[in-house]
Amino acid sequence: EVQLLESGGTLLQPGGSLRLSCAASGFIFSSYSMTWVRQAPGKGLEWVSSISAAGDDTFYADSVKGRFTISRDNSKNTLYLHMNSLRAEDTAVYYCAKVFYRFGQFDYWGQGTLVTVSS
Amino acid sequence: QSVLTQPPSVSAAPGQKVTISCSGSSSNIGNDYVSWYQHIPGTAPKFLIYDNDKRPSGIPDRFSGSKSGTSATLGITGLQTGDEADYYCGTWDSRLSAEVFGTGTKVTV
Repeated sequence: EVQLLESGGTLLQPGGSLRLSCAASGFIFSSYSMTWVRQAPGKGLEWVSSISAAGDDTFYADSVKGRFTISRDNSKNTLYLHMNSLRAEDTAVYYCAKVFYRFGQFDYWGQGTLVTVSS
Repeated sequence: QSVLTQPPSVSAAPGQKVTISCSGSSSNIGNDYVSWYQHIPGTAPKFLIYDNDKRPSGIPDRFSGSKSGTSATLGITGLQTGDEADYYCGTWDSRLSAEVFGTGTKVTV
């Protein structure tokens, strides 16, 4: 059974930094691209970033480009999202998701972790 | 703001059918495949449709997808109370070089 478990969400002040983790199991992690998607309170889904299976290709939404870095450790079956210069508008539930067979298709999602940026 | 537009809400009685539209442009829906997701708040989103009209394993044939030009549609027949959720379309936008989701539609049964 595919499982994705996010962790690392917390309350922090604007300008702060945070690292989210997503522990994967139930599939060959190193064979699949992965993605982060977020949902701000009362808003819809917003794609944040994606990374290829080997980790050599990364993609970012304009809203986070230059502040967030996606990475993965295939030896640990773990996906990361490094978040810097956090803003109030980054407040959201962050979901990690497995790419089905091409970018834009996310077949398994985690339950999400809440990041709150507030002074 | 999302570049894919969906109606905010649709509703129907149990057993009936609803359709949800997703309107985009030539740089997104008109240029790539569409996926659909079901999201019950507080839970993990669920993958319903890929490549415009294909269902992943385990998704009942009550759910169907289609695409024409720069618009896509999700259909749900035989509505059940368990279908109450938010539904999102998604695709790649070549102009933005980004994955984009629709504005979301709340289905009430």
